[in-house]
Amino acid sequence: QVQLAQSGAEVRKSGASVKVSCKTSGYNFVHYDINWVRQATGQGLQWMGWMNPGTGNTGFAQNFKGRVAMTTINSIATAYMELRNLTFEDTALYFCVRGRVLDPFDFWGQGTKVSVFS
Amino acid sequence: QPVLTQPPSVSAAPGQTVTISCTGTSSNLGAGYDVHWYQQLPETAPKLVIFGNKNRPSGVPDRFSGSKSGSRYARSASLVISGVQAEDESDYYCQSYDDRLDGSKIFGGGTRLTVL
Repeated sequence: QVQLAQSGAEVRKSGASVKVSCKTSGYNFVHYDINWVRQATGQGLQWMGWMNPGTGNTGFAQNFKGRVAMTTINSIATAYMELRNLTFEDTALYFCVRGRVLDPFDFWGQGTKVSVFS
Repeated sequence: QPVLTQPPSVSAAPGQTVTISCTGTSSNLGAGYDVHWYQQLPETAPKLVIFGNKNRPSGVPDRFSGSKSGSRYARSASLVISGVQAEDESDYYCQSYDDRLDGSKIFGGGTRLTVL
C-alpha cells in the first residue's frame, strides 16, 4: 500500500533553516509529483510547491519562492523540503503529499511539526 | 487570503443534508479545472473524499457527493453530505488549480462542519 512517512518534529530559532524528509513506499516514486502543504495551528491548508522526482522539475507558490528548496533521492524514494530564514510565522504542521499536476492529493504523510522561536 | 472561498462554518443535525460551497474565479474553477474535496480532523492529515468534481474514492461513504454548478466552467462547486452522521464532524477543504499563479495548487479557507 502507498505510504509516505515523514521525519519527526523540529524546533528552530528564527533565521535558521529546517529540512523535512518524506520516505515513500508502495508505488513507483518517479511517476508522481511530491507536493508540500503546510498548516499553521488553527489555520487552513497552504500549498508550498511541488517536485517531480523523474524530471527534477519544481514549482513553488509565490510566498515561498527563494526561501524553499525541494529535492529527492530517487534510489531511496525519499523527498526533502528545506525552508530557510525561518520566522515565527513558519511554525506549522508540514505535510508531504503525492499528486500530479491536475490530479488530487491522494496520499498524505502524517505531518511534521516545525516550531520556530525568536 | 485563500483563493477559493468557503463558508467558515456550517451545522446540521444528524440525518440532515448539508451543503458546503466553494467559489473561485475565471482562472481556476471558471477555467474548467476540477475541484477536489478533503476532510480533516484536527492535527491529522487530510483525507480525499471527492475528486474530479464528483467522484468518490474507494471507501468513502456514498452520502458524500460533489458537483460543479451547471457546467465544468462554473465558478462554484459544492460538497453535499446527505444524512449527516456524528463522525462527519470535521473541517472540509476544496482544492483546485490556478493558471494565473504559475500553475499553483490552491485551497479554500476551509469549512468547519458541526453536527448538532
